[in-house]
Order: sequence, then structure tokens, then C-alpha cells
Amino acid sequence: DAMVIQNPRYQVTQFGKPVTLSCSQTLNHNVMYWYQQKSSQAPKLLFHYYDKDFNNEADTPDNFQSRRPNTSFCFLDIRSPGLGDAAMYLCATSSGDSTDTQYFGPGTRLTVL
Amino acid sequence: LAKTTQPISMDSYEGQEVNITCSHNNIATNDYITWYQQFPSQGPRFIIQGYKTKVTNEVASLFIPADRKSSTLSLPRVSLSDTAVYYCLVGGNSDTGFQKLVFGTGTRLLVSP
Repeated sequence: DAMVIQNPRYQVTQFGKPVTLSCSQTLNHNVMYWYQQKSSQAPKLLFHYYDKDFNNEADTPDNFQSRRPNTSFCFLDIRSPGLGDAAMYLCATSSGDSTDTQYFGPGTRLTVL
Repeated sequence: LAKTTQPISMDSYEGQEVNITCSHNNIATNDYITWYQQFPSQGPRFIIQGYKTKVTNEVASLFIPADRKSSTLSLPRVSLSDTAVYYCLVGGNSDTGFQKLVFGTGTRLLVSP
């Protein structure tokens, strides 16, 4: 049973063309996260939502935005993708009630042409 | 945030026990130690979490000495399918319950026949 779903699994966009990545969860978790993972590197946290409260990492570029319209869905918007934004984007969730497990989705691999 | 240090890579053979050690010298009092496994083109998967002493589940064991400045993930009798990157992370919850995970370089485990 899928718990954290990411769509699409593969996304191709053109340089400078806005793109939106989608994440949904069936766990009813309070917290949703977006990570960026480049080839052969570790995942890097971009931002997270605790309920509707948005928390941006200090070094996340302004080019990256996020929306969480409800508990189940969270979107990553890249306003003007550059070649350096090509990466795997991972969504994760956690209940946020205690030190608990983050559940990751399968990721969306973004290619920028 | 406590930084972690792990070996970049390890090699093993099927059926052997593998121990991956992680150093986290500046771990905070409320930090937990969590290990994740990641296969290529997939999101990280939770393996085990602990605070002190020893934790065991159906997949692995986690050994944490009294000073908590290091931890060892033990994988009994590895198989080829255990070939993956293993990440050690430390972190604690804030008042909002947020568990910020900072991924280190991870350890690439290669299991051979």
C-alpha cells in the first residue's frame, strides 16, 4: 500500500519553464518535507510544513516554492529551473508527535533540458 | 545539529555480518540516532532508530555506547539485495515535534556473491 506518493516519477522540463512536482500521503501526518538529492549525493532538505506552517531552510534558493493546500497534498514549484536543478526530489512525511520515523516517497527525477 | 561521519564504502560477501559505524561526537542530549537505507532511484527507507544501548528489529541491530558519540548498525547475514547506501542521522525534536534530518555522506555497501 502506497503511503507517500509522488507524481510524476520522471519529469522533463525546459530551462526556465516552471514546473510543479506533486506529493500526496495517506498517513494523515502533520509534517511534510521536500528534499533535493543530486547524483551520488545525500538528500538535502529544502523546506517542510508542520500543518500549515511553512519552514524554509536558509540556503534554499528563492526559485523553489511550496504549497500545502490540505493535509494530504504538498507541491514543489520550481519557478525557473536551471540546469543545476536537475535532481531527484524526495517528499517525506512524519507524524511530528515525537521523535518518529520519516516516510519517504519514491521521488521524482527532474531533467532540465 | 550533530554531524555524522561514516565510512564512504564497505564491501562484503553474502552471508556475512556487516557492521557500519557512525561517529557523532557532538550529539545533543535529546537527539536520537536513525539509520536509513537507500537503493538507487528510490527514497530512503527507515531501518532502525535508537537512543542508547541496543535496539534490535527484524532487519538490523543498533548498538549505542554509553557516551552516545558513536553507533554501529549491524546487518546479520547480508544478501545481494542489501547492496545500498546506508545513512546515519542524528536529530531531536523541537517543541513542534519537527525532526530535522541532516544526511551525511552515507556508506555505500556492496555485497558480492
